[in-house]
Amino acid sequence: EAGVAQSPRYKIIEKRQSVAFWCNPISGHATLYWYQQILGQGPKLLIQFQNNGVVDDSQLPKDRFSAERLKGVDSTLKIQPAKLEDSAVYLCASSSHRDRASPLHFGNGTRLTVT
Amino acid sequence: GNSVTQMEGPVTLSEEAFLTINCTYTATGYPSLFWYVQYPGEGLQLLLKATKADDKGSNKGFEATYRKETTSFHLEKGSVQVSDSAVYFCALSDWDTGNQFYFGTGTSLTVIP
Repeated sequence: EAGVAQSPRYKIIEKRQSVAFWCNPISGHATLYWYQQILGQGPKLLIQFQNNGVVDDSQLPKDRFSAERLKGVDSTLKIQPAKLEDSAVYLCASSSHRDRASPLHFGNGTRLTVT
Repeated sequence: GNSVTQMEGPVTLSEEAFLTINCTYTATGYPSLFWYVQYPGEGLQLLLKATKADDKGSNKGFEATYRKETTSFHLEKGSVQVSDSAVYFCALSDWDTGNQFYFGTGTSLTVIP
């Protein structure tokens, strides 16, 4: 099966600019997650979707971050305006959510550098 | 709440040495436990998992046993190879609250020939 696809792989922007990341999950996976991974740390959940509804966005900085999952498939994460502390790898993951053994499947991530 | 604590790295071992990476967890319910591995420039890949007490997950020579009494899920490998150099993340999932995943901070392993 094809894995989780993310683009772009790398992005460099200046602070106060905007940026968008795209994710296509594994076909048939109902649950989609966006994580932020700062260098040297574990992934931190930003938002979790079940189909096209939001399950958890409690750690999403909503004043600057937004995410959508139209039609319950692809998802886009946007940052506007970016800050220096947003420099991180943004990981998308999906899960079949079939049972308690269902793991997350990750894409390769987008490395964002804010200068 | 739910959380995962991993031993801090970095860890440097010689090839064929024995590896242990400690992981303990706190959970409000009955979690499933996972180990993920991240190679340079790549996303996280599932290494192994266990869903109930005393289950042993294993893959590629790595293994970990779900110990409910000590709330631990330590990762072990009998003989590491240079190709095992990566960052290892312990994680738990809470099915009862929507399959949310919680990750440790990761342990960097370098294996030298």
